[in-house]
Amino acid sequence: DQQVKQNSPSLSVQEGRISILNCDYTNSMFDYFLWYKKYPAEGPTFLISISSIKDKNEDGRFTVFLNKSAKHLSLHIVPSQPGDSAVYFCAATGSTLGRLYFGRGTQLTVWP
Amino acid sequence: SAVISQKPSRDICQRGTSLTIQCQVDSQVTMMFWYRQQPGQSLTLIATANQGSEATYESGFVIDKFPISRPNLTFSTLTVSNMSPEDSSIYLCSVTSGSGYEQYFGPGTRLTVT
Repeated sequence: DQQVKQNSPSLSVQEGRISILNCDYTNSMFDYFLWYKKYPAEGPTFLISISSIKDKNEDGRFTVFLNKSAKHLSLHIVPSQPGDSAVYFCAATGSTLGRLYFGRGTQLTVWP
Repeated sequence: SAVISQKPSRDICQRGTSLTIQCQVDSQVTMMFWYRQQPGQSLTLIATANQGSEATYESGFVIDKFPISRPNLTFSTLTVSNMSPEDSSIYLCSVTSGSGYEQYFGPGTRLTVT
């Protein structure tokens, strides 16, 4: 049972535009959410996170939004750059869970 | 963040054999995690390895198939035993950050079983 879902396997965006990657979750015990970026032949790299007590967290070009009532979060990348092309994984955990739960990932392609 | 290395980076193995994957961290960590990523799938947790205790396996994974060692606070191994083509995956180790929920991953081991 997939508790973290990324329903879009791929996303293609022009350089300079906004990229929006979406993630849904089902477990109400999740209270901390993370985004990872993965290039081919490398391990996932931690990108940004958000606690459930917040609805927004920003770090440079990356912003994560959390809508707890909808059990939905999104990652915004503005402006998108070709170097952002990678697979993005959404992950979730909770203070009592002790592990991360990952979505299947979204392949982002940023074209010039 | 911790620097994590894995050996081998990739391997091609024959059905029925075993492969041991090593994970080395540049600092002492309490918890280490082993994941599998099958083609087109998400990262699936195999087990959590704490130093000085038996690894805790997730549902669907058993010690006979994936024995884990954790001899000290900077090193762990995962063995994939009696391999079949279904074991072809990327295997990743990770560690938690000292302060939060973030995990940091090694570069992965790409295993192909023929």
